[in-house]
Amino acid sequence: DQQVKQNSPSLSVQEGRISILNCDYTNSMFDYFLWYKKYPAEGPTFLISISSIKDKNEDGRFTVFLNKSAKHLSLHIVPSQPGDSAVYFCAASGDAGGTSYGKLTFGQGTILTVHP
Amino acid sequence: GAVVSQHPSWVICKSGTSVKIECRSLDFQATTMFWYRQFPKQSLMLMATSNEGSKATYEQGVEKDKFLINHASLTLSTLTVTSAHPEDSSFYICSADGTSWQEPYEQYFGPGTRLTVT
Repeated sequence: DQQVKQNSPSLSVQEGRISILNCDYTNSMFDYFLWYKKYPAEGPTFLISISSIKDKNEDGRFTVFLNKSAKHLSLHIVPSQPGDSAVYFCAASGDAGGTSYGKLTFGQGTILTVHP
Repeated sequence: GAVVSQHPSWVICKSGTSVKIECRSLDFQATTMFWYRQFPKQSLMLMATSNEGSKATYEQGVEKDKFLINHASLTLSTLTVTSAHPEDSSFYICSADGTSWQEPYEQYFGPGTRLTVT
C-alpha cells in the first residue's frame, strides 16, 4: 500500500520557468511533510518542509504548498535552474505521539530535468 | 554540520557471505538512526529504526535475523546483511535523526552503500 504517491515519474522544464512537483498521500495521520533532492548513488538532501498546520512554506526559490483536504502537496521551484536537475522525493511523517514518530514514508520520486 | 557517512560506499560479495555496513554521524549525536533500502527507480523503503542502546525496530516484512542492526554508540549504527543472496543486492541508505526545534522530523542521510551479491 503506497501511502505517499508521486504520480509523475519525470518532469522536464526549461531554465527560468517554474517546476511543479506533485505528491499525494492517503494517511490522514501524517502531519509533517518534507521534500528531498537526490542525485544518483548519493543520499537524499533535505530541501524544505511543511507542517500540517500551515498551507505554504517558502525558502528562496522553493515553495511547498499543502492542501490537507485533498491530501495533496506540491513543490514549486522558481526560477528553475539546470543544477536543479535531480530526483525529488516527497516524504511524510506521523504524529509525535504515535508509533510512527520520526519515521519517514517516501514517495516514488520524480526525475526533474531542467534544460538550459 | 550534520554530516552522515557510510562505509563502504560499494561492496561486492559472494552469495552466502555476510556484509557489514557502517553509518556514522560525524558532527552530531544521534540517538535514532534509520536504515533504508532502495531498488532501481523505486522509492526509499524504511527497513528498520535503530535506537542507541536498545534493539532495533523492524518494519513489517523485514527479516530481523537477516538484517542485523547494532547501534552501539550515539554516532555509529551498523547493518549486517547475513548470508547474503543476489536478491539482497540493492542500495542501502542510512539516516540519522536530526530532530530539532527548527526541523522536527528532519533526517540527515548518508551517501548510501551499493551492495552487489554474486
